[in-house]
Amino acid sequence: GAVVSQHPSWVICKSGTSVKIECRSLDFQATTMFWYRQFPKQSLMLMATSNEGSKATYEQGVEKDKFLINHASLTLSTLTVTSAHPEDSSFYICSARTPPTSGRAGNEQFFGPGTRLTVL
Amino acid sequence: TQLLEQSPQFLSIQEGENLTVYCNSSSVFSSLQWYRQEPGEGPVLLVTVVTGGEVKKLKRLTFQFGDARKDSSLHITAAQPGDTGLYLCAGSTGGFKTIFGAGTRLFVKA
Repeated sequence: GAVVSQHPSWVICKSGTSVKIECRSLDFQATTMFWYRQFPKQSLMLMATSNEGSKATYEQGVEKDKFLINHASLTLSTLTVTSAHPEDSSFYICSARTPPTSGRAGNEQFFGPGTRLTVL
Repeated sequence: TQLLEQSPQFLSIQEGENLTVYCNSSSVFSSLQWYRQEPGEGPVLLVTVVTGGEVKKLKRLTFQFGDARKDSSLHITAAQPGDTGLYLCAGSTGGFKTIFGAGTRLFVKA
């Protein structure tokens, strides 16, 4: 149980275009999903917290107009990188938190496999 | 600002050796998770500890939560090349956020 999928796994796009990344919880409902960015050989950097049915909460320094997050259902959150530029190239990872009623201990997050974005 | 300090940042050892990774904080956590991440993939949850002093074992991996729930350790016995990866600890205060350590990059040489 607690499987999270992410699509696409990799994408190459031209500078100025927008890219949408999907994050799905496959076998549980996730009221909260998280979006991270990871640079080579570094830890995870939280970009924003996505709450179903409400606006996302962005971390300091993350442009909400550039990284659009939509959490329209309990199993799907999307991250759209608008007008992408080469400096946006990175590994983007989403995670979903299991609900308190799941019987699991603590605030466990289950991660998707990641999306490698390359902007030319 | 809550911090979760993880050490060492990098570890290169020979197959068969033992190692310990530490996570320390001044904050008290309601739970703490350990993850392992391989290159190009998302982190995979290894274990969650919630009780002070708790010890959990996963094959050759032993996880311990400090009595005061401010620190945790991961001990690997007889490391194997397949243990190579980035190990992340993450602490939750019971609120909305989870704090991640900077990670320990482990390389086990055959």
